[in-house]
Amino acid sequence: ATQLTQSPSSLSASVGDGVTITCRASQGISSALAWYQQKPGKAPKLLIYPASSLQRGVPSRFSGSGSGTDFTLTISSLQPEDFATYYCQQFNDYPQTFGQGTKLEIK
Amino acid sequence: EVQLVESGGGLVQPGGSLRLDCAASGFPFSSYGMTWVRQAPGKGLECISYISGGHSSIYYADSVRGRFTISRDNARNSLFLQMSSLTVEDTAIYYCARKVSTGTPLGAFDVWGLGTMVTVSS
Repeated sequence: ATQLTQSPSSLSASVGDGVTITCRASQGISSALAWYQQKPGKAPKLLIYPASSLQRGVPSRFSGSGSGTDFTLTISSLQPEDFATYYCQQFNDYPQTFGQGTKLEIK
Repeated sequence: EVQLVESGGGLVQPGGSLRLDCAASGFPFSSYGMTWVRQAPGKGLECISYISGGHSSIYYADSVRGRFTISRDNARNSLFLQMSSLTVEDTAIYYCARKVSTGTPLGAFDVWGLGTMVTVSS
């Protein structure tokens, strides 16, 4: 199974900061990667799929990049509603797997 | 409005069974593959089962294969997960989710339900 490793596992930042979350795959997955945002008590929300394409309605401060084994999610200017946990997910092969998550907290 | 609503969760003893339902609305249900994703308390996400729109492709994670059965009724716009031989490790929120339309069994999940909690405990 393709394993995804996110870094960092947690991150503290302030409103207005820019942050980057990394997702590394254990094998090449081309651009078959998605990013989700999950807030406490809520279902995940699809942000970016595949790899760098923003889903409709997602603010442009979110961006994704990468291919092969290394991917990044960047939030250019944090807003209060962005503090959440972020997951990457690969859909190159079965089992489709998620990273362990990155918790973004307010500093 | 595109919507998924899960039901059927609850408290069950180890070794017991439970069936989860997911009611879909607002989109052509039969045209989409559907999946069940679970999240243990305080943990990450695990894709445990998938079924294609026409039932031709079905997938199970190793953790549930042989114990869980996914099915769907396109006439009723419903997705099901029959769970048996439950263990405490199956305790989680269970989400149904719609796979983006790609023509393959692989893809991201663009619509999610609110989830239903399954607790396995004696």
